[in-house]
Amino acid sequence: AQKITQTQPGMFVQEKEAVTLDCTYDTSDPSYGLFWYKQPSSGEMIFLIYQGSYDQQNATEGRYSLNFQKARKSANLVISASQLGDSAMYFCAMSPDTGRRALTFGSGTRLQVQP
Amino acid sequence: GAVVSQHPSRVICKSGTSVKIECRSLDFQATTMFWYRQFPKQSLMLMATSNEGSKATYEQGVEKDKFLINHASLTLSTLTVTSAHPEDSSFYICSARQGNVAGELFFGEGSRLTVL
Repeated sequence: AQKITQTQPGMFVQEKEAVTLDCTYDTSDPSYGLFWYKQPSSGEMIFLIYQGSYDQQNATEGRYSLNFQKARKSANLVISASQLGDSAMYFCAMSPDTGRRALTFGSGTRLQVQP
Repeated sequence: GAVVSQHPSRVICKSGTSVKIECRSLDFQATTMFWYRQFPKQSLMLMATSNEGSKATYEQGVEKDKFLINHASLTLSTLTVTSAHPEDSSFYICSARQGNVAGELFFGEGSRLTVL
C-alpha cells in the first residue's frame, strides 16, 4: 500500500518569492514515481513535474523543482519566483512501477500568492 | 503534449437516471485509463482502472454495477453512473497513460456531475 502525506492545508507566499510545498510518502515498492499536479478552480489537473525513484538528480521544470530525498521519503515541490497565477491547489501523488500505474494522491495544499 | 478530452464537462440529471461520461485520448493510444472521483475540497480517489478490451478493475468500495466502465477502443473509455443519486454528485476525472513511458500520465478536464 502507498500513502502520500501533505501536511500543509494552506500556504501563503508573496509574489516573486519562492515557496516549498511539503510531501512525504510511504511505500514498499522498490520502484515508484512521484508527481506534482496543480489544480486551479476550473478543476483540471495540470502536470507540473515527475521524479522517478531511481533518478539520481532532482527533477526541474522551469520554475518548478522537486527536492527528492529518498532516505527521508520526501518529495517537496519548490516554486521559484511565485506568480499570481500560481494560486491553486497542489497535489503530490505517487505511482508504483516508476509511474506506470494508477496514482495515489495526497490531500493537497492550497497555495495563495499575494501581490 | 498528449491530450485527453472528457465530455461532458458539466452535467445535471434527475435522481434515478443514468449518465455517461466519455474520456478520449486525442493523439495517442491509451491501453490503460484510470477513473477518479473528487468530492468538494477533497483529494482525488481512484475508482477503477480501465483496460482496453477487458473488464475494468475496481477499487475496494466502488460498486461495479453502479459505475459501469467500458474501454472499447484504444482511444475511448466511458463511465456510466447508473441510477444516479444525489450522493453521486462529484467531480469525475479520467487519466490515460501514453505507452509505457514512466511518468507519462495525462488527465482529462474533468466532468462535474450534479444529481438533483
